[in-house]
Amino acid sequence: QSVLTQPPSVSGAPGQRVTISCTGSSSNIGTGYDVHWYQQLPGTAPKLLIYGNNNRPSGVPDRFSGSKSGTSASLAITGLQADDEADYYCQSYDNSLSGSVVFGGGTKLTVL
Amino acid sequence: QVQLQESGPGLVKPSQNLSLTCTVSGGSISSGGYFWNWIRRPAGKGLEWIGRIYTSGSTNYNPSLKSRVTISVDTSKNQFSLKVTSVSAADTAVYYCARGRSIAAHFDHWGQGSLVTVSS
Repeated sequence: QSVLTQPPSVSGAPGQRVTISCTGSSSNIGTGYDVHWYQQLPGTAPKLLIYGNNNRPSGVPDRFSGSKSGTSASLAITGLQADDEADYYCQSYDNSLSGSVVFGGGTKLTVL
Repeated sequence: QVQLQESGPGLVKPSQNLSLTCTVSGGSISSGGYFWNWIRRPAGKGLEWIGRIYTSGSTNYNPSLKSRVTISVDTSKNQFSLKVTSVSAADTAVYYCARGRSIAAHFDHWGQGSLVTVSS
């Protein structure tokens, strides 16, 4: 069981908007630690999508956006495309686990 | 552009030790004050952080793996390494090395991953 909770799957039609939630607690997201998001396509390494809650690395389309409030964070994808189909992970830091990095369990996005 | 590359055996027998090395190119592992991490993804499961090392040699490990994991650094070879002792089938996974800017920061560069299967 992951420290950060994500829905196992979400889906949407091309062009639609989907959101993926990431719920933590007072020892991680709720303390103020940043949330980061990764996209992992089959057979490839995770790719940084959002860092510091709502910042996009160079090259990531503005269709991807992040937000954080309280003990939760969200990743939003607008204008859904077929090649957005992938696994998505949130990541943060937890001060109750000996300085551990923590990941969400991952969310499989299916483009219908 | 910094690049990371994992290397090591793809098959390990149960109860033996797993060893992987990450070679960093395009920059010195000693400069910039970065943290060097190991992360794995078991088949059918999500990402799991294993641990990290700073260039000073200080380490932090996932409490669930701490008793079996050692991460070390060889700055002369621009490499850092992972050792997991007494492996079982549960340790079968794709292992990634990755660079982080601080203990709570994102991972901005990743290796391509190395599949390690634990089987007799």
